[in-house]
Amino acid sequence: DTGVSQDPRHKITKRGQNVTFRCDPISEHNRLYWYRQTLGQGPEFLTYFQNEAQLEKSRLLSDRFSAERPKGSFSTLEIQRTEQGDSAMYLCASSRDYTGELFFGEGSRLTVL
Amino acid sequence: AQSVAQPEDQVNVAEGNPLTVKCTYSVSGNPYLFWYVQYPNRGLQFLLKYITGDNLVKGSYGFEAEFNKSQTSFHLKKPSALVSDSALYFCAVRAMNTGFQKLVFGTGTRLLVSP
Repeated sequence: DTGVSQDPRHKITKRGQNVTFRCDPISEHNRLYWYRQTLGQGPEFLTYFQNEAQLEKSRLLSDRFSAERPKGSFSTLEIQRTEQGDSAMYLCASSRDYTGELFFGEGSRLTVL
Repeated sequence: AQSVAQPEDQVNVAEGNPLTVKCTYSVSGNPYLFWYVQYPNRGLQFLLKYITGDNLVKGSYGFEAEFNKSQTSFHLKKPSALVSDSALYFCAVRAMNTGFQKLVFGTGTRLLVSP
């Protein structure tokens, strides 16, 4: 069990650029989640995958956001045409069952200038 | 809609004293309830969960939480605080039997344990 890993850990970009984050879940976990956390707030749900299927998607996930999990293993979260309001910590988590006990990565911090 | 309230931004307690971090929730139907902890520059870590059964749930690092359905609360407790318990604590809820997987988190409570 090597934990959930996220890459990059920090990303600074200019407004209007595209960014992509990668998440590698714990290997035997078939459920994968993306959350977003801003300063002073708790994590907010973005999307959920079971294997390669994206089964839930928050209304927070605008058309500029897209997430994939092509082979049911790692996942990517892409943000197109970034805006300053996208600045946040993007958290990935995985789980082995339906009860919601999530294992989080350390997050990818995005700063949009 | 699900929601969680953590009424205290910060809780201060002296080492060795008991601690309580408060959480109330709102959900349609029965809840799954969770506590997570976030240490500086570390990812969120699961502490404990209530799914069903005993209202008193024991978790990691000596923490426990009590589910109170009538008061819709799930307060986190520890009999004797340690300085190393200082961190940011999040309560979260998920509605049972809806098929939805998302957890709704509170805004967090910072616990500061003084020596």
